[in-house]
Amino acid sequence: AQKITQTQPGMFVQEKEAVTLDCTYDTSDQSYGLFWYKQPSSGEMIFLIYQGSYDEQNATEGRYSLNFQKARKSANLVISASQLGDSAMYFCAMTPRGSSNTGKLIFGQGTTLQVKP
Amino acid sequence: EAGVTQFPSHSVIEKGQTVTLRCDPISGHDNLYWYRRVMGKEIKFLLHFVKESKQDESGMPNNRFLAERTGGTYSTLKVQPAELEDSGVYFCASSQRLVASGNTIYFGEGSWLTVV
Repeated sequence: AQKITQTQPGMFVQEKEAVTLDCTYDTSDQSYGLFWYKQPSSGEMIFLIYQGSYDEQNATEGRYSLNFQKARKSANLVISASQLGDSAMYFCAMTPRGSSNTGKLIFGQGTTLQVKP
Repeated sequence: EAGVTQFPSHSVIEKGQTVTLRCDPISGHDNLYWYRRVMGKEIKFLLHFVKESKQDESGMPNNRFLAERTGGTYSTLKVQPAELEDSGVYFCASSQRLVASGNTIYFGEGSWLTVV
């Protein structure tokens, strides 16, 4: 069975510093996708970044980068130059790829990040 | 472009009552998903529509939950009768193509349900 594990329930970071949110996954699929979402206090789920299992380069989107280590089955999110608005809950998720997949995401339990001024 | 919208944003009902949650996906998105997060637990998949057809409903917890998507536009999720353990936040999401292809899935703000 596929599983996503986020071992950090809560994290603190000083404003303008970088922070890494951990995510490990378990799957027997060869082809899969990894996502990170941000959920601020307003409740919406905001898509941040995507990494395909066959992508050779680590995904980057502005201040967000995904440190993808396939052999270790980890997909950590790195946020550079933290801002107060980054305070939120962050979810790692995955989906198997291929025709057999219906498109559902499997989520981790989330990490609450608080950015200190 | 309007995002995924959900209604109501918050609902408090008594055990045994019925609640209907509505989701309007992004226009043109054939794929519509329902997810649920019970307090303290991870977000879990409930079901997936492709247009008006249920593609995968393996995550529906029991027959007290009924999802529909008549006409392939908006969707409703009815809980009848509601139980205490149904409390949580219900997310709707949509995507233009299957998430399996690496396409982004867009979420709504969620409908917070409290059963007392």
